[in-house]
Amino acid sequence: SQTIHQWPATLVQPVGSPLSLECTVEGTSNPNLYWYRQAAGRGLQLLFYSVGIGQISSEVPQNLSASRPQDRQFILSSKKLLLSDSGFYLCAWKGVPGLAEEQFFGPGTRLTVL
Amino acid sequence: DQQVKQNSPSLSVQEGRISILNCDYTNSMFDYFLWYKKYPAEGPTFLISISSIKDKNEDGRFTVFLNKSAKHLSLHIVPSQPGDSAVYFCAASKGGSEKLVFGKGTKLTVNP
Repeated sequence: SQTIHQWPATLVQPVGSPLSLECTVEGTSNPNLYWYRQAAGRGLQLLFYSVGIGQISSEVPQNLSASRPQDRQFILSSKKLLLSDSGFYLCAWKGVPGLAEEQFFGPGTRLTVL
Repeated sequence: DQQVKQNSPSLSVQEGRISILNCDYTNSMFDYFLWYKKYPAEGPTFLISISSIKDKNEDGRFTVFLNKSAKHLSLHIVPSQPGDSAVYFCAASKGGSEKLVFGKGTKLTVNP
């Protein structure tokens, strides 16, 4: 069966510090991978998605970036965090591109920027 | 431009009664719709989906209804249980897209 991992679970960072959140998927090959953010009281905002190694699509201009160095690894980064980057970050995967539509989410990372 | 709308931010029902969560969409190209359930500090969990070629899909206590002419779908939970208390997200996709578009969610509270 497939599982998705995210770490860390919680993170408190000062403004201006760098960020690296990691997501890995097990039990599937060549998944689509996604980064979402849920800000307080808001819905799920798609930040980035990837259909393959090194292929990143950005949905929202911001100071975040994403990378996919391996088939089942997706990383969310920032060089300098802003207060507005606080939120709940979710990684998701989808198998069989073009067919099944369901995305499956990881447990999330709660980021607080102070 | 919000393409998927959940106009009720919250809903409260009694245990054993029916919960009806609503979702409207504006993009007629959407052809697949999903519902997710989310507990605080956890990732959303996929609940049920429906293709635009159907108007109803049922899975246990959960039924999703799709009205394409009205661009409206709803999730019925019968009977509601306290463990159903969570935020429910509606999502939609269109053929050929690798993305889902989510609504802002409805917080359901089921009172014992």
